[in-house]
Amino acid sequence: EVQLVQSGAEVKKPGESLKISCKGSGYSFTSYWIGWVRQMPGKGLEWMGIIYPGDSNTRYSPSFQGQVTISVDKSISTAYLQWSSLKASDAAIYYCATRYCSSTNCYAFENWGQGTLVTVSS
Amino acid sequence: EIVMTQSPATLSVSPGERATLSCRASQGLSSNLAWYQQKPGQAPRLLISGASTRATGIPARFSGSGSWTEFTLTISSLQSEDFAVYYCQQYNNWPLTFGGGTKVEIK
Repeated sequence: EVQLVQSGAEVKKPGESLKISCKGSGYSFTSYWIGWVRQMPGKGLEWMGIIYPGDSNTRYSPSFQGQVTISVDKSISTAYLQWSSLKASDAAIYYCATRYCSSTNCYAFENWGQGTLVTVSS
Repeated sequence: EIVMTQSPATLSVSPGERATLSCRASQGLSSNLAWYQQKPGQAPRLLISGASTRATGIPARFSGSGSWTEFTLTISSLQSEDFAVYYCQQYNNWPLTFGGGTKVEIK
């Protein structure tokens, strides 16, 4: 069974750094892209970026480029989303999700983590 | 960036009735369109990919249609567990983008 298990809720102050995680199991971790999706309180889904654990190839949404860093440690089947200096507007739920690409096609986000709630407040 | 526009924002439907949700893309997508369902307090769940292919375990009352810029999700006979928010997403071009969502509520 494919599982993505995300790290627990975080409470941070503006200006602090943060790194949240997403651990995959039950599948070939290096063969599926892992994307990150933001959901601000009461709002819709926003795609932030995606990484391919096999070679660390990373793509960012222009809206999030330079604001966050996506990384991976394939030795422990874990992807990360990090901020160097949080803002109040970063308060949201963050989801990770897997995406498969064959040699000719890429597909939708099939498996999702349970979400990590990030609270940013002074 | 491809903009995804969903309509209506809210759909009020009685249990057992049919629900039709629309999603329009600002550029052609071929069939690289997915639908997700999200219930309160839960992560999104993939319903449909490739515009019309149900994901594993998704009931047959959910169906997707359309191509290029116009797509539709139909729920043939709404069950109580189907009241939720539905999002479309294009995965044809970077950046991947979601629609704003349609909330299906009980009438």
